[in-house]
Amino acid sequence: AQRVTQPEKLLSVFKGAPVELKCNYSYSGSPELFWYVQYSRQRLQLLLRHISRESIKGFTADLNKGETSFHLKKPFAQEEDSAMYYCALNVGVEGAQKLVFGQGTRLTINP
Amino acid sequence: EAEVAQSPRYKITEKSQAVAFWCDPISGHATLYWYRQILGQGPELLVQFQDESVVDDSQLPKDRFSAERLKGVDSTLKIQPAELGDSAMYLCASSRWRTDTQYFGPGTRLTVL
Repeated sequence: AQRVTQPEKLLSVFKGAPVELKCNYSYSGSPELFWYVQYSRQRLQLLLRHISRESIKGFTADLNKGETSFHLKKPFAQEEDSAMYYCALNVGVEGAQKLVFGQGTRLTINP
Repeated sequence: EAEVAQSPRYKITEKSQAVAFWCDPISGHATLYWYRQILGQGPELLVQFQDESVVDDSQLPKDRFSAERLKGVDSTLKIQPAELGDSAMYLCASSRWRTDTQYFGPGTRLTVL
């Protein structure tokens, strides 16, 4: 079965503390994973994708095929990081995007 | 900066009525997606277009939902008749090609009474 699990619906941390949003997936093929973010009153937008191996707004995510995980991390949280975060798995063929989303984690950064 | 447009932003209807949502993708984007997002869940793909052709509608409840993109530009998603369980946010997204980053619209929030 193709599934993305984000075990935490809500996550609250203090400003300056490390952040880790968990994502686990179930997929028989070669996984391609993404993190999307939705800030308050804004549209859903791509934050990062694992094949890019880049850091966006200080966030990184490493694909761990052994643990079937793609956790999102940031060493020092900022108040502007408060948002809804969705992990997504591409189950499309030949690189075409067909995304399966997790249920999302609402991250709140306390001052 | 070009954005995906959707209308209406909010729609309230009674069950058994027909509703329609409109999406205008970013100019030049060949791929268009419709998603449904139930409160507390992530978006779920309903249908995907490549130009004017449907390439994936495996998750579309075809007994009541229909989607079209006649000229390969804007698109309409219709529900007839609406049911209480259809209350959700309906999101449209577009990308230049099927492998590219998806850009999302603001969504249409549907409430069925």
